[in-house]
Amino acid sequence: ETGVTQSPTHLIKTRGQQVTLRCSSQSGHNTVSWYQQALGQGPQFIFQYYREEENGRGNFPPRFSGLQFPNYSSELNVNALELDDSALYLCASSWGRRQSIGNEQFFGPGTRLTVL
Amino acid sequence: EDQVTQSPEALRLQEGESSSLNCSYTVSGLRGLFWYRQDPGKGPEFLFTLYSAGEEKEKERLKATLTKKESFLHITAPKPEDSATYLCAVQGNGRGSTLGRLYFGRGTQLTVWP
Repeated sequence: ETGVTQSPTHLIKTRGQQVTLRCSSQSGHNTVSWYQQALGQGPQFIFQYYREEENGRGNFPPRFSGLQFPNYSSELNVNALELDDSALYLCASSWGRRQSIGNEQFFGPGTRLTVL
Repeated sequence: EDQVTQSPEALRLQEGESSSLNCSYTVSGLRGLFWYRQDPGKGPEFLFTLYSAGEEKEKERLKATLTKKESFLHITAPKPEDSATYLCAVQGNGRGSTLGRLYFGRGTQLTVWP
């Protein structure tokens, strides 16, 4: 059974640039959630994708967007990068049905984004 | 909004010195409370899920318990390799928010010295 993988591991960008982060979900999982973790903080929910549709969004601006593909892998896109976007971006996969998504979420190793 | 508060923020224990970490939560209908372990620069590693008050789960030196307002992670006779940040998260019933969304606390940074 393959776990959650993310790429790249590290990324350095400058303000105003755009970035795409990628996540492959664990085998058998159909739901992907993205979280942002600033240094010394707990992960903050960005959004969730269930079977290729956005299934909820946290308090993040529209320049944070995402996709989920038919194989349930996912991308997180961030436009017009700001210094405060520097963080560890975590992808978590789980299995669930739309009305009862409540199962354990398994996290990938994360992508460390630094914005200069 | 669902909220999670963890205490203490940091805890230093000598090897073999047992202790407990606390997670207090406010949630509109608890679907699950989750404990994760996170090593520096890594993603959180799943430890336990608790669903209802009175439930307990154990794994090696760790034991998690749940009441209607808080959860405890008990660490018995810890070893240096238990050093990590322990995160608590809750999942609510989705009224006005996303089903499946996890609300995390800031974590307790545990250091176990020999």
